[in-house]
Amino acid sequence: AQTVTQSQPEMSVQEAETVTLSCTYDTSESDYYLFWYKQPPSRQMILVIRQEAYKQQNATENRFSVNFQKAAKSFSLKISDSQLGDAAMYFCAYPKCNNNDMRFGAGTRLTVKP
Amino acid sequence: DSGVTQTPKHLITATGQRVTLRCSPRSGDLSVYWYQQSLDQGLQFLIQYYNGEERAKGNILERFSAQQFPDLHSELNLSSLELGDSALYFCASSVATGFGYGYTFGSGTRLTVV
Repeated sequence: AQTVTQSQPEMSVQEAETVTLSCTYDTSESDYYLFWYKQPPSRQMILVIRQEAYKQQNATENRFSVNFQKAAKSFSLKISDSQLGDAAMYFCAYPKCNNNDMRFGAGTRLTVKP
Repeated sequence: DSGVTQTPKHLITATGQRVTLRCSPRSGDLSVYWYQQSLDQGLQFLIQYYNGEERAKGNILERFSAQQFPDLHSELNLSSLELGDSALYFCASSVATGFGYGYTFGSGTRLTVV
């Protein structure tokens, strides 16, 4: 079975600090992509960052970066210089072969304290 | 605006009724996906269409059906509604079916069954 696990239901970070959200996944494939989506209170799902499994370099998008450990099947999201607008649910996602079915983790609710 | 349009944004209906949710994908996207998000739950994949054809089916109930029309818009039909069907229903689109194409989500339709 191909599953995505987010072990942290809730996380909290002080404004301007750094926080890391964890995600592990299970797959038998060698080439694949991984995604992090953000869902703010508006409930809109917003793509934050994606990682290509065959690339060793970790993806970075401004204050967002990932720590991709392929052998460990781990894909964590690091948010630097946290801002109040980063408060949201964050979902890790893994598309099954041929992108026909994106599997999402249960989500991590991030609170940013001023 | 993500480019994916979902209507209506809110829907309140009674048990036993039937409703239709509509989705217009982002311009140029051929794939449409439907997801269900119950309160404080993750996203459950329902069904995918690519260029008018059903490509993948997830945990979609027999009371639910969908289709994609020649102009690529999609409709999700929910019938014999039950209280447990109350949820946020997302439509997402991508340019193709295949690796690496992240989804663009609509803003969702919030369905309340009373």
